[in-house]
Amino acid sequence: KAGVTQTPRYLIKTRGQQVTLSCSPISGHRSVSWYQQTPGQGLQFLFEYFSETQRNKGNFPGRFSGRQFSNSRSEMNVSTLELGDSALYLCASTRLTGTNTGELFFGEGSRLTVL
Amino acid sequence: AQTVTQSQPEMSVQEAETVTLSCTYDTSESDYYLFWYKQPPSRQMILVIRQEAYKQQNATENRFSVNFQKAAKSFSLKISDSQLGDAAMYFCAYRGDDKIIFGKGTRLHILP
Repeated sequence: KAGVTQTPRYLIKTRGQQVTLSCSPISGHRSVSWYQQTPGQGLQFLFEYFSETQRNKGNFPGRFSGRQFSNSRSEMNVSTLELGDSALYLCASTRLTGTNTGELFFGEGSRLTVL
Repeated sequence: AQTVTQSQPEMSVQEAETVTLSCTYDTSESDYYLFWYKQPPSRQMILVIRQEAYKQQNATENRFSVNFQKAAKSFSLKISDSQLGDAAMYFCAYRGDDKIIFGKGTRLHILP
């Protein structure tokens, strides 16, 4: 069974640009969540999608957005990039069963560097 | 708002010894789940152990066990017979009704 796939793995952008990251969940998993990982702040929850609907949202500015497609693949977008957006962005999928549980299966992450 | 605190940024343990990583959390919810995740240097995060708040019995997975104290809002991870492959960042996580919150992590070093 293929794991969670994130693309691209590495990317470099300049301030003011925008970026789109992609996440393909494990087959059969309908929930996808996104996290920002930085050395100073640790792992911070961005948002979670289930059946194409945003289920939960963390405390990030509106520059961070996401969506989920009918095949459960998800994308996140960051517009007007700032230096502080440099981070490892992790995606995780889970087989939500209606209760708030379920192991998170993580991808390897997309390493974003903003210059 | 829920919070998760890991008070030990780094820890070291001798190979084959036992180590305990601490985690405390704060919540007003009664139904939630707690997790320990491991992130080895290769970066892919994997689940170590899970605890449902409604279960009094502490979860165990081979050499990994937790000490879950619901009233004290404490959720520590014990690793027995530490192995070199246990070296990693360990994150404690809380999953409640509306979001998932991670602690800042504890970097565990295994000394040969």
